[in-house]
Amino acid sequence: GEDVEQSLFLSVREGDSSVINCTYTDSSSTYLYWYKQEPGAGLQLLTYIFSNMDMKQDQRLTVLLNKKDKHLSLRIADTQTGDSAIYFCAESWGNTGGFKTIFGAGTRLFVKA
Amino acid sequence: DAGVIQSPRHEVTEMGQEVTLRCKPISGHDYLFWYRQTMMRGLELLIYFNNNVPIDDSGMPEDRFSAKMPNASFSTLKIQPSEPRDSAVYFCASSSTGLGNQPQHFGDGTRLSIL
Repeated sequence: GEDVEQSLFLSVREGDSSVINCTYTDSSSTYLYWYKQEPGAGLQLLTYIFSNMDMKQDQRLTVLLNKKDKHLSLRIADTQTGDSAIYFCAESWGNTGGFKTIFGAGTRLFVKA
Repeated sequence: DAGVIQSPRHEVTEMGQEVTLRCKPISGHDYLFWYRQTMMRGLELLIYFNNNVPIDDSGMPEDRFSAKMPNASFSTLKIQPSEPRDSAVYFCASSSTGLGNQPQHFGDGTRLSIL
């Protein structure tokens, strides 16, 4: 079935690196996304990776994609208290009816000062 | 650029009342999605539209829920009659068609409390 899986919680100390993991289901997924949700707000697109890429770096964020294992990870370097939020992984692919996006349940990141 | 705009931000009402949530998608986006978020179930897709036409409403929980998109710049999600278990945060999101990257852009949500 279609399911994007993430661990529910992650706790790190300020200044450490955070690694949030995700497994997805559809090998034909075209784009894989990471969204961030802060308290009281909607989901904000953080970064994305195209399926023919292995890695993407954007300032403190590094996305790694292992297509063989259908595994996606988001690494946040030098984690700050402002990074405390829920992080959602999502996969997206096209079909004759348009395109479909499936979200994971979200990983709640706690950053300890 | 104006993002997805939802109203109201908060709604508190008594069970049995009709509730209407509103959404204005980003101009030019032809997909519109309604989601519900709760602690128990996480983020659930309720329904989505393409070019104002409902494409998949399999996530709508019951007949008490209905959604409309009368034009490209406006959509409503209505609950009638409302029940306490409908209490949740409801998000609207929009995206555009294309061969390139088509991420969904989310509004800030409507926090609904049914007493």
